[in-house]
Parts: sequence; C-alpha cells; structure tokens
Amino acid sequence: AQSVTQLDSQVPVFEEAPVELRCNYSSSVSVYLFWYVQYPNQGLQLLLKYLSGSTLVKGINGFEAEFNKSQTSFHLRKPSVHISDTAEYFCAVIGGYQKVTFGIGTKLQVIP
Amino acid sequence: GAGVSQTPSNKVTEKGKYVELRCDPISGHTALYWYRQSLGQGPEFLIYFQGTGAADDSGLPNDRFFAVRPEGSVSTLKIQRTERGDSAVYLCASSRLGQHLTGELFFGEGSRLTVL
Repeated sequence: AQSVTQLDSQVPVFEEAPVELRCNYSSSVSVYLFWYVQYPNQGLQLLLKYLSGSTLVKGINGFEAEFNKSQTSFHLRKPSVHISDTAEYFCAVIGGYQKVTFGIGTKLQVIP
Repeated sequence: GAGVSQTPSNKVTEKGKYVELRCDPISGHTALYWYRQSLGQGPEFLIYFQGTGAADDSGLPNDRFFAVRPEGSVSTLKIQRTERGDSAVYLCASSRLGQHLTGELFFGEGSRLTVL
C-alpha cells in the first residue's frame, strides 16, 4: 500500500516570507510524487511532479520540491510567498497501483 | 470549455433518496477517476475507469455506490439510499492514456452533496 502524511494542517506565513510545506510518503515500490493546489472555489490542479531524474523539481508560480529517498520526503518550498498563494496544498503519490493517493492537505494562509 | 465538467455543482437531498452525479471528461481522455473529499480530508479514491470498464473499484465504500461509463466518455456516479455520512464533495478527474500512470490528473470543480 502507499500513503502520504502531511504534517501540518495549517501554515500561516507573512507575505514575502519563505515557506515549506512538509510531506512524507510510504510505499513498498518506487513512486511518483506530486503536489496539487486547490485555490478557493476551484478544482485541484497540478503544481509539480517528480517522476525520475533530478531530485529538485520546479513547478508553477515559483514553487519547488525536493525528493529525498532516504527520508521518504517530498517537501514543497517557495522562497517568497504572495497573497495569491493562499490555497490548500495536497501532496500525492502513485506507486504500484494506478490510483493517486492524496494526503489530507495543508492550508497555506498568507498574511499581508 | 475544455476542462472537466461536473454537474450538478450542488445537490441537497434527503436521507434515503437516490442521487446521480455526472462527469464530462476532457475530450480524448481515456482514464477517468472519481474521488470523494469530506470536510477536512484529502481526496479519497473511489473508482477508476480505463475506457468503458472499471479498472479498479476498490474505493467504493459499499454496494450503495455504483458508477458507469457506457461509451467511454461521460461517467455517472450513482448513490442509492443516501445517508448523512455520504455528504461530501465528489471530484472527477481525467487523463490521457499513459499519462494516468504518472498521476497527472485534470480535476473538475466537484459536486457538493448534502444529505439532510
């Protein structure tokens, strides 16, 4: 079985400050990892993905994430957040099964 | 539009009633997923279609839930004898053949179901 754990349900951060949203995964096979974002009143959309190759992946809107196999982590980072980054962020994994498993989400609240 | 379309966007029903939720995927996408998102939770997998057939229905919670995709495009999620615990946002997602293997899904905005 595969699973993801998002350690923080809510993260408040001031505008222009850096942010890290944490994600740890569990799987008995090789995995692909993702971050999805859900803006208020919108559907989920893919932010970035790790399939193979470089462990540092860059996504839309200045976000990046680093795959760390030894720590089974895939933390999401942004060096300077904007008000428009206020949203809920979901870490997700796909392993040996053809279904994507999501974490419970982290609500990022950017404070002016 | 070119995205995944879900109808209705909101549905309020009474306990015991039958409900149908519709998903119209992106044209040409052969893989279609249904997820359920309860308050404060992440999306929970229900069922996955590849073409017309259900490739994996292991997430359906019980036999009150059923989904079809008769022509390999539009899908309908059917819930019989609804219960208050069925209240949630039901999400549909689609992807191209092969793309689903790498988890790159395109989601609709969801259908919010409230069972009174």
